[in-house]
Amino acid sequence: NAGVMQNPRHLVRRRGQEARLRCSPVKGHSHVYWYRQLPEEGLKFMVYLQKENIIDESGMPKERFSAEFPKEGPSILRIQQVVRGDSAAYFCASSPNSGGYNEQFFGPGTRLTVL
Amino acid sequence: DAKTTQPPSMDCAEGRAANLPCNHSTISGNEYVYWYRQIHSQGPQYIIHGLKNNETNEMASLIITEDRKSSTLILPHATLRDTAVYYCIALPQTGANNLFFGTGTRLTVIP
Repeated sequence: NAGVMQNPRHLVRRRGQEARLRCSPVKGHSHVYWYRQLPEEGLKFMVYLQKENIIDESGMPKERFSAEFPKEGPSILRIQQVVRGDSAAYFCASSPNSGGYNEQFFGPGTRLTVL
Repeated sequence: DAKTTQPPSMDCAEGRAANLPCNHSTISGNEYVYWYRQIHSQGPQYIIHGLKNNETNEMASLIITEDRKSSTLILPHATLRDTAVYYCIALPQTGANNLFFGTGTRLTVIP
């Protein structure tokens, strides 16, 4: 069974460009979570999605960031007009059921570097 | 969600048991104790979770005190590949949509 897949693994953008991060959950999982990890810090929750719905975006910055999980295809985390402070590792996780009490399976992460 | 407190770092000799403590004195009755770890540059990995009974799986054992105010994760025979940051997380049984990762304990297994 393939685990959570994320691509690209490394992404370099210049300030002002757009970054699109993709996450394919474990097959059969319909719940996706995005986390951000700044250098030397712990992971911080950003958003929780089910198929076609955003359930909890309490950790998502109000501007420039958006996420989707369409009926078909991977979940996408989109960052518009990136700034240097967006440089971080972005991790996606999936679970078969809702709620943090279910084991979340994490992908390898996308490391975004903003020049 | 209850706050958890962990020592920032620990060392353990290879082959010995690693005992990682976690304080969660404000944990409520419906909150589980979860442990995840993050090996350098990788995504976090689930280890084990429990409510009030001790738990064991192929990776580790979890010992929760009777008053549930603290717990200990035990890696019975630590290997170099167990070097990682270990996170103790308290989560309610329902209504939680995300994991709160604090600063964790950086475990270094020494050859």
